[in-house]
This record gives sequence, structure tokens and C-alpha cells, in this order.
Amino acid sequence: DTAVSQTPKYLVTQMGNDKSIKCEQNLGHDTMYWYKQDSKKFLKIMFSYNNKELIINETVPNRFSPKSPDKAHLNLHINSLELGDSAVYFCASSTNRAGRYTFGSGTRLTVV
Amino acid sequence: DQQVKQNSPSLSVQEGRISILNCDYTNSMFDYFLWYKKYPAEGPTFLISISSIKDKNEDGRFTVFLNKSAKHLSLHIVPSQPGDSAVYFCAAWDGTASKLTFGTGTRLQVTL
Repeated sequence: DTAVSQTPKYLVTQMGNDKSIKCEQNLGHDTMYWYKQDSKKFLKIMFSYNNKELIINETVPNRFSPKSPDKAHLNLHINSLELGDSAVYFCASSTNRAGRYTFGSGTRLTVV
Repeated sequence: DQQVKQNSPSLSVQEGRISILNCDYTNSMFDYFLWYKKYPAEGPTFLISISSIKDKNEDGRFTVFLNKSAKHLSLHIVPSQPGDSAVYFCAAWDGTASKLTFGTGTRLQVTL
């Protein structure tokens, strides 16, 4: 029944590894997003996709690559993980109703 | 270049009293302003919003006030309840860029 689900919930990995975070929504929304919440608790947009098309790509290192196989899924792949990538990553979706997003519960990534 | 600012990282209020959370913004092009509530280990959830052409919106115990000339908005919770204890994020929607920008959050603690 979960509207926006992310997996895994926790991810601990070593520097230099490649990892993916998956996100799925069953709300029929057209737009999906990835946000990063860093150690200062600042929620910052990384990417947004509308019907599988990239809409927003903020200044994010190109080690981060989003992939949207269909409008219900938006996965985040991260290459060559660095210590500074440690954060909580939130997936969200919306129908572009003026900022009314539905968020997943987050993935806490720890790079050691 | 933080466009949405919440200058109070935390607030403590007694149960039954009014909680007032404040938010300032710099971009006069924002179309909507929103408040999200976040519990630990969960994603933010939408609480209430206000159009930039309004100055007040009320939903039950929650009221948002917008002062465009001061580029300031506030969320009033009356009466405050222990279940309101959470982190509250102010957010602003830019319809042209289809982008939601968050503040850094205010942690509200409602005490008995």
C-alpha cells in the first residue's frame, strides 16, 4: 500500500564502490524526484523526471546517474562513492500540483 | 544562495499553547509556499500551502500567513499537541522552473 517506496532503507558501503537506490510510486504521478538531505539537514533537489524525461538536473557530480525505465520508477545509481556522499536520499513524486509532493521514507547512505 | 530560510532551528512549546514557525524567502517569483512535517526515519509529508496571491490559509489547527512585502511566512498551530512534535520544513514552489525549494527546517517540541 506504500505510495512511494524506496529500497534499501539503509546502505553502508566502502569508498569507491558503485551502488543503486530504487524508487517506485503507485500513485500514477507523472513526475518523480530525488532529494538529498545532508548532515546539516538541508533538503536539496538533485533530479526530476517527468514521464521518463529529465527535467531538472542540479549541480550534481556526474557520478550520480538517475534512470527512469517508466514513469512509476526512478532509480539512482552512484559510481565511485565518496565519504561526502553520506546522506539521506529521498525519492518523491507529484502531479505538479504546485509543490505538493509525496515522499518516500528515505535511504540512509553511509560511505566508510 | 539559500532562497528559503528558517532561522530558528528549534522551538519548544507547551501543550495547548500556540506554536509559531517562521520562514523567510528571497525570490519574489515563487508561486506557492508550503509547509511539510517530518517525523524521524520518515519522509516529509505535506501539511498546508498558500498561494502567493493570498495572505492566509487555514486548515483545522493549522494556519499559514503570508506577508509578501516582507517576504515572510509563518505557520501557526493552535492548540499545539504532543503529536505535533516533528521537524517542520518551509518550502517554496517556482512554477516556471517546476522546482520546490526547501528551508533547513525547525524542530518543534511540544511538551506536556
